[in-house]
Amino acid sequence: SQTIHQWPATLVQPVGSPLSLECTVEGTSNPNLYWYRQAAGRGLQLLFYSIGIGQISSEVPQNLSASRPQDRQFILSSKKLLLSDSGFYLCAWSYPGGRSHTDTQYFGPGTRLTVL
Amino acid sequence: GDSVTQMEGPVTLSEEAFLTINCTYTATGYPSLFWYVQYPGEGLQLLLKATKADDKGSNKGFEATYRKETTSFHLEKGSVQVSDSAVYFCALSEPSSYKLIFGSGTRLLVRP
Repeated sequence: SQTIHQWPATLVQPVGSPLSLECTVEGTSNPNLYWYRQAAGRGLQLLFYSIGIGQISSEVPQNLSASRPQDRQFILSSKKLLLSDSGFYLCAWSYPGGRSHTDTQYFGPGTRLTVL
Repeated sequence: GDSVTQMEGPVTLSEEAFLTINCTYTATGYPSLFWYVQYPGEGLQLLLKATKADDKGSNKGFEATYRKETTSFHLEKGSVQVSDSAVYFCALSEPSSYKLIFGSGTRLLVRP
């Protein structure tokens, strides 16, 4: 069966510090991978998605970047955090292949980031 | 653009009460519709989905019917339990898009 891991689970960082959040998927090859952010009291917003190694699409201009150095690894980064980067970051995956809007996305446990 | 609107919470119910959480959507194409649930401190789990008009998704006693004529996908359960307390998100996905568009979520509190 497939599992998705995220770490760390929680993180408190000062403004201006760098960020690296990691997501890995087990049990499937070449998954589509996604990063979402959930701001306090709001729904989820797609930040990045990837359909293959080295292929990253950004949905929203922001202070963050994403990379996919390996097939099942997805990393969210920032060089200098802002207060507005605080939130709950969720990684998700879906089955590979052509995009079908019927596809389910499967979410990881999330990372709660607080920027002070 | 596409959007999802959910009823504001929190919704507070007594155990065994009937639940309805309203969800309406705006989409240019023929989207798939989803309900996700988020338990405290956890990520999102798929609860149910429907991929075409008049489809009914169901899981764990929850149901939702894809109503194209009213652009709605309301979540219902006949008898809620304390363990159903969570935040529920309605979402849509358009053909040819990788994006899930979420509503703002509805918090459900079920009291014994």
